[in-house]
Parts: sequence; C-alpha cells; structure tokens
Amino acid sequence: EVQLVESGGGLVQPGGSLKLSCAASGFTFSSYGMSWVRQTPDKRLELVATINSNGGSTYYPDSVKGRFTISRDNAKNTLYLQMSSLKSEDTAMYYCARDHSYWGQGTLVTVSA
Amino acid sequence: ETTVTQSPASLSMAIGEKVTIRCITSTDIDDDMNWYQQKPGEPPKLLISEGNTLRPGVPSRFSSSGYGTDFVFTIENMLSEDVADYYCLQSDNLPLTFGGGTKLEIK
Repeated sequence: EVQLVESGGGLVQPGGSLKLSCAASGFTFSSYGMSWVRQTPDKRLELVATINSNGGSTYYPDSVKGRFTISRDNAKNTLYLQMSSLKSEDTAMYYCARDHSYWGQGTLVTVSA
Repeated sequence: ETTVTQSPASLSMAIGEKVTIRCITSTDIDDDMNWYQQKPGEPPKLLISEGNTLRPGVPSRFSSSGYGTDFVFTIENMLSEDVADYYCLQSDNLPLTFGGGTKLEIK
C-alpha cells in the first residue's frame, strides 16, 4: 500500500523558513517523480514543486521560484521541500504526491506575525 | 501555462439524480485530464486518470469524457456519500493546473 506521510509544518513569521518532509513507503520510491501540492484556505489547489525520479530535474511555478527548493533522498525514501522568504499567501495545507495519483494527509503551514 | 476553467462552482442535487461537472482548458491537452474527489479533512482522491480511465476500486457510477479542450465528469445516480468537492487536473504540460473546484451538496 502506498503511504506518504508529511511532517514539518507549523506557524512561521513572514520572511521565515520551514522545511517539510515526506516519508514514502509501499512502493519503489526511486522509480517515481514526486510533487508538492498546496491547498489554500479558499480550497484552491496549486502545484508548487516537482522532481523527477533521480532528482536531476525540478520544476517550480513562478509563484515560488527562487524561494522553494524540492529535493529527495532515495536512500531514505524521503522527499523534502525547503521554503524560505515565506509570505502570508503561502499559508496552506501542503501535500506530498506520487506523480499526481497518491497523496499524503498533508501538513499545515501558517505564515503569520 | 494551461488555464483550467471548472463549472459550476457549486451544485445541489437530489439523491438518484445525474451530476455533471465541466472543465475547459485554454490549450489542447489531448485526453490528459484527471478528476478528484475531496471530502472534509481528507486529501484529494484520484477517481479518473488520463484517457478517461476509472481508477481501481472506484464505483462505475463515476465516468468522464472529453478530448482536446472540453471535458465532462459525470456521476450517474448520485448517492449521499458522493457529497464532496470535486476537482479536475490537466497533466499534459507543466505546470500541472487544477480547476477551481465544484462543491456538490444534496438538495
């Protein structure tokens, strides 16, 4: 059974940083591209980062480019999202997803003073 | 970037009725459209993937159609357990983009 478990969310001040983790199990992690998708309080869904299976290729939309960094450790079956220069509009539930088929339960990030 | 326009934003249907949700894309995406169901407190669940393919274990009352820029998601004979938010996602090109969602309620 595919399992994705996110952690690392919390309350952070504007301009601060946070690193999210996603522990994967139930499949061969190193064979799949992975993504982070966020859902804002108005329920809008947005892909914020994608990485290919070996970590050699990444993609970010303009809304987070230069502030967010996706990475992975295939030896530890873990996906990461380093977020910096956080803004109030980054407040959202952050989901880890295997391609776009399987999603974790999410971790909540709140950016507020 | 492909924009996905989903309609309606909300829908109130009686048990047993047919539900129809539409997504229109700003570019031709072949049949690379996906449909999700999200219940409160849960992550989105993939119901239908590219090529109008029903995922394993998903009831056959759910279906979709469409190719190019115009896509339709259908629930035949709505059940109370179908109350949820529904989203479409185009997976043809990066960035993958979602529709704005449809809130389905019981009339």
